Amino acid sequence: GQNIDQPTEMTATEGAIVQINCTYQTSGFNGLFWYQQHAGEAPTFLSYNVLDGLEEKGRFSSFLSRSKGYSYLLLKELQMKDSASYLCAGLDSNYQLIWGAGTKLIIKP
Amino acid sequence: DVKVTQSSRYLVKRTGEKVFLECVQDMDHENMFWYRQDPGLGLRLIYFSYDVKMKEKGDIPEGYSVSREKKERFSLILESASTNQTSMYLCASGGQPYNEQFFGPGTRLTVL
Repeated sequence: GQNIDQPTEMTATEGAIVQINCTYQTSGFNGLFWYQQHAGEAPTFLSYNVLDGLEEKGRFSSFLSRSKGYSYLLLKELQMKDSASYLCAGLDSNYQLIWGAGTKLIIKP
Repeated sequence: DVKVTQSSRYLVKRTGEKVFLECVQDMDHENMFWYRQDPGLGLRLIYFSYDVKMKEKGDIPEGYSVSREKKERFSLILESASTNQTSMYLCASGGQPYNEQFFGPGTRLTVL
């Protein structure tokens, strides 16, 4: 079956670095997405990886290893506004998104 | 600026009522999606559409139907609402299958 696994909740300190991991099993693979979702709001796109390696976008970076079925989202210089849920989603061979349950990130001062 | 709008942010209905949730996008996207989101379960796909008048079942279509008469509009219909359909409903649109999906603000539906 298809499955996306990510931790339910993580806590980090303002100004620090946090890595949110995601492992995936999909029928075929056409890329991996990360979305951010603040409480009560819609998810917003953060990144898309289809090739192995690290993609950096300001304070946020996303890494993909297709051979390991593994991705992570790295957030640097954490700010209080980064408190949100982070959703990992894999794109399968039918171009359907398979979603993880999301990781709730709590930032403490 | 990319925009997906949904007809209501909050909705309260009674068991057995027919419920219409409407979604409109202004990006000329071919693809539109309806999800529900429940705590601990993540986003689950109800129905999607890759073209006008075309619809495909997602993972949990039971109890729902959809309509896409115009490219910009995708409606979700609950023929006879039940309490287990209380949830957050999110609409999304995307230009290609592998482009990011843009989400509407969501409708929090409560069925009493």
